[in-house]
Amino acid sequence: DADVTQTPRNRITKTGKRIMLECSQTKGHDRMYWYRQDPGLGLRLIYYSFDVKDINKGEISDGYSVSRQAQAKFSLSLESAIPNQTALYFCATSDGTSGGFTDTQYFGPGTRLTVL
Amino acid sequence: QKEVEQDPGPLSVPEGAIVSLNCTYSNSAFQYFMWYRQYSRKGPELLMYTYSSGNKEDGRFTAQVDKSSKYISLFIRDSQPSDSATYLCAMSAQRGSTLGRLYFGRGTQLTVWP
Repeated sequence: DADVTQTPRNRITKTGKRIMLECSQTKGHDRMYWYRQDPGLGLRLIYYSFDVKDINKGEISDGYSVSRQAQAKFSLSLESAIPNQTALYFCATSDGTSGGFTDTQYFGPGTRLTVL
Repeated sequence: QKEVEQDPGPLSVPEGAIVSLNCTYSNSAFQYFMWYRQYSRKGPELLMYTYSSGNKEDGRFTAQVDKSSKYISLFIRDSQPSDSATYLCAMSAQRGSTLGRLYFGRGTQLTVWP
């Protein structure tokens, strides 16, 4: 079984709908991250969490919210989806032993989201 | 100006060729440099990690960092079709704090044909 799983893998939705993307990990890592990947723009950090009680905004958090339900679960919500949120979304985890973001990050398989 | 610049390619080479992938950056505080490999329909996975300047070799892969020029490279020797993927550079400034956030390049798409 994969260490970092994301559900759903693909989602098509309409403008204005609320969407939740879920991430689960079995690696036992404290640190979890949400990124989006757009063609030509690379990976951009949306939110990150260094432990269950810690939530931080990344560089593009507007229009998104997150919930860290447990060490193993980190969900990303789009409160009112808009077309420019169409992208590939990745969850990642790291163990925190190296400190900061220089820990090796392990990525899930991604969720392809299309907002019409 | 983006923190990290990377030519997206695409780059297409024959099997056995030496491949050179590069990134430039603007933040002189970056000290930690990484290369991730991303296969189609998969998440990125860490390929190599270097600290500060110098070279690091791992099998057919060599990572080079030139901090004076703010330039990093990944060389792939004897390239194989299985090396076909998108390669993303990433870098960060400092451990142990949010200042260590990873900054990714756009990724270079590589195809190695038999």
